[in-house]
Amino acid sequence: DQQVKQNSPSLSVQEGRISILNCDYTNSMFDYFLWYKKYPAEGPTFLISISSIKDKNEDGRFTVFLNKSAKHLSLHIVPSQPGDSAVYFCAASAGTDKLIFGTGTRLQVFP
Amino acid sequence: KAGVTQTPRYLIKTRGQQVTLSCSPISGHRSVSWYQQTPGQGLQFLFEYFSETQRNKGNFPGRFSGRQFSNSRSEMNVSTLELGDSALYLCASSYQTGQGGELFFGEGSRLTVL
Repeated sequence: DQQVKQNSPSLSVQEGRISILNCDYTNSMFDYFLWYKKYPAEGPTFLISISSIKDKNEDGRFTVFLNKSAKHLSLHIVPSQPGDSAVYFCAASAGTDKLIFGTGTRLQVFP
Repeated sequence: KAGVTQTPRYLIKTRGQQVTLSCSPISGHRSVSWYQQTPGQGLQFLFEYFSETQRNKGNFPGRFSGRQFSNSRSEMNVSTLELGDSALYLCASSYQTGQGGELFFGEGSRLTVL
């Protein structure tokens, strides 16, 4: 039972354009959402988060949007850079419960 | 500040053997969580320890176990290894339990079962 789903295993974007990574969840109790980035041979690193009381959070080139009614969140990267090429995981938690991760989307930014 | 340290980084075992992986959290962090990463499955939660007590457990068989020591270091053990246990095992630490916030991950221990 995959409570957090990333339906696109991969995404390819040209440098300078916008990258949009999507994530859907099924548990309406989730109230905190995060995005992690993972390079090969490294552990995931925290990127950005959003609480369920907000619908948008911005940090530099990264913006996360949350649509609670659709149980959907997305990560926008503008402009995309080659160094953004990595696997991106979305994650969610309900209260103090464990963090549930999606299956990841591999982003490739080409020149 | 040193990050999360996992040892060993790579190991190869054969079916039926057992393995112990170690994790040293960031200094001051009292919560340690373990995740299994396999292609197509993302990060699957194994368990979380806080102040030497298992606080949460994922849907893994009893062959997977863990513990946490008084200095917050944690170990996980997998007994009677199966081919499907081949994966990257990631440890993450945080200051508080609940995982409602940011986790800091180590680089992982890549286990290959032959």
